[in-house]
Amino acid sequence: AQSVAQPEDQVNVAEGNPLTVKCTYSVSGNPYLFWYVQYPNRGLQFLLKYITGDNLVKGSYGFEAEFNKSQTSFHLKKPSALVSDSALYFCAVRDGGTYKYIFGTGTRLKVLA
Amino acid sequence: DGGITQSPKYLFRKEGQNVTLSCEQNLNHDAMYWYRQDPGQGLRLIYYSQIVNDFQKGDIAEGYSVSREKKESFPLTVTSAQKNPTAFYLCASRGGSGTGELFFGEGSRLTVL
Repeated sequence: AQSVAQPEDQVNVAEGNPLTVKCTYSVSGNPYLFWYVQYPNRGLQFLLKYITGDNLVKGSYGFEAEFNKSQTSFHLKKPSALVSDSALYFCAVRDGGTYKYIFGTGTRLKVLA
Repeated sequence: DGGITQSPKYLFRKEGQNVTLSCEQNLNHDAMYWYRQDPGQGLRLIYYSQIVNDFQKGDIAEGYSVSREKKESFPLTVTSAQKNPTAFYLCASRGGSGTGELFFGEGSRLTVL
């Protein structure tokens, strides 16, 4: 069965420092991977996706993610964190056979001024 | 503007009552999804539909029902059989190919009194 793991419940980083939010996945077949961000009491906003091609994917708001097939990881990164990046981040994988989208448990990012 | 509209945003219900959450999209998307979000558990899939007049159970369908009579609409009914219905409910849609990302509504928060 397809699954996604986000090993950190919370990540704290100082403003201006680089940030990484971790995600590992388990799929059969080609992985289709996604990152979303959620602000309090709001829906999820799409940041970026990996379908095929370059392992480094660039997305919205300066975020990028690195796909690593050998480590089955898809970590979200940003070179310089902003206080406004503080939010809940979700990694997701699409089940190739059923079109289900399976989400991780989320990682709360806190950027400290 | 194109998007997904969920209503109501907040809903209170007494135990034993059924309640229907509305989800409407004007993105011309074929696929629609319902997720439930609880703190620390991420998003869990309730039902999804790839096309009009067809839908499939997700991972936590018990106590819920849906219909898909129109492409634009995918209402979710939370029945009295759902043991713990208090949660944040998110509707999403997906267009184009199966590798596309989900677009989310702003969510409906249901509280059972």
